[in-house]
Amino acid sequence: DTAVSQTPKYLVTQMGNDKSIKCEQNLGHDTMYWYKQDSKKFLKIMFSYNNKELIINETVPNRFSPKSPDKAHLNLHINSLELGDSAVYFCASSPGGREQFFGPGTRLTVL
Amino acid sequence: GDSVTQMEGPVTLSEEAFLTINCTYTATGYPSLFWYVQYPGEGLQLLLKATKADDKGSNKGFEATYRKETTSFHLEKGSVQVSDSAVYFCALEGRGSYIPTFGRGTSLIVHP
Repeated sequence: DTAVSQTPKYLVTQMGNDKSIKCEQNLGHDTMYWYKQDSKKFLKIMFSYNNKELIINETVPNRFSPKSPDKAHLNLHINSLELGDSAVYFCASSPGGREQFFGPGTRLTVL
Repeated sequence: GDSVTQMEGPVTLSEEAFLTINCTYTATGYPSLFWYVQYPGEGLQLLLKATKADDKGSNKGFEATYRKETTSFHLEKGSVQVSDSAVYFCALEGRGSYIPTFGRGTSLIVHP
């Protein structure tokens, strides 16, 4: 069973569209994250979320928004996609203060 | 704020060579330290970790020792294999923090 799963694995879309990436974890962790990895492999944390608190990286445009229907899911919604949003997006979960468990990634290409 | 500095890559080695990837950090208090590995086309996975000074993390022949006096957590392996080719990330997380800090990653390429 996959611990952290993401869908879709690949997402190709036009500029200006709105899209969502789904993430689910079956580890029972309280905290989930979204990361953006650019073409140089630099990893940037976008959001940290548990059932008490959302922490937003202040450099993330407000076109990005996390949505958590329940403790096991943290989806990423992106409005008005731009060329610069092209990247690999990783979901992760953690029991807090310990290691991160990453999903397989979603490669987003904006044309 | 917290920060992690890794040596720039790519690091290119021949099979069975000795590997060192340097990592230094800046943090308040006593963070936990991690090395993650990312194989091509995959997500990151934990390679090893250490939670207090002088702890040594080890896994799959890789080792790293938490050195508080030099604020370092260098990754070493005595004999690398082609299958070790990947990107390696050093990271830290402060006690009670839910926000990890990652280094920029170091690409390792191992030739037969």
